[in-house]
Amino acid sequence: ETGVTQTPRHLVMGMTNKKSLKCEQHLGHNAMYWYKQSAKKPLELMFVYSLEERVENNSVPSRFSPECPNSSHLFLHLHTLQPEDSALYLCASSQDSSGRYEQYFGPGTRLTVT
Amino acid sequence: RKEVEQDPGPFNVPEGATVAFNCTYSNSASQSFFWYRQDCRKEPKLLMSVYSSGNEDGRFTAQLNRASQYISLLIRDSKLSDSATYLCVVSERGGRRALTFGSGTRLQVQP
Repeated sequence: ETGVTQTPRHLVMGMTNKKSLKCEQHLGHNAMYWYKQSAKKPLELMFVYSLEERVENNSVPSRFSPECPNSSHLFLHLHTLQPEDSALYLCASSQDSSGRYEQYFGPGTRLTVT
Repeated sequence: RKEVEQDPGPFNVPEGATVAFNCTYSNSASQSFFWYRQDCRKEPKLLMSVYSSGNEDGRFTAQLNRASQYISLLIRDSKLSDSATYLCVVSERGGRRALTFGSGTRLQVQP
């Protein structure tokens, strides 16, 4: 199994739907991240988890709810999203959350909110 | 001022050319530096870390200038497969904060 996997790869949802994005890392890392990448914008950090504890929440609206049940799995629960939330959502992992180590990314989930 | 600034490009170069990208960062406490590569509609992938003394990996050379707070990436003998967006990435060690990404510089290598 490759390093960081994400499912689904593509998701179309209405504004009243509830869905979840899943990320799994097979690298033995202790930190996991959610990023948002909108067109023509840099990656925006959303959440940081270190050893299953959320260590950063970058002013993300409450319609995005992360969950980290263990150090290998990370979820992003979505509800009542807005069209401007359409973007590529990327999961990443690294050895720890110190910033010293490089991050490895999953292939992303391309989300379209209609 | 943006935390990490890059010239968005695009840089259009012929095969075999040498091309250089620069990146500036605003946080003097930044301690770790990386270049990532991102292909269209794909995830970023680590190209190389940037060390204080500069480092080379094949055709790629990275330099760090802490006094001026900039990082550079030099690509020699460009290949068609080098066409991608190159992301400059910095972090503040010990700040419990993830990496800060630049917007990227787009490179198009032409035959």
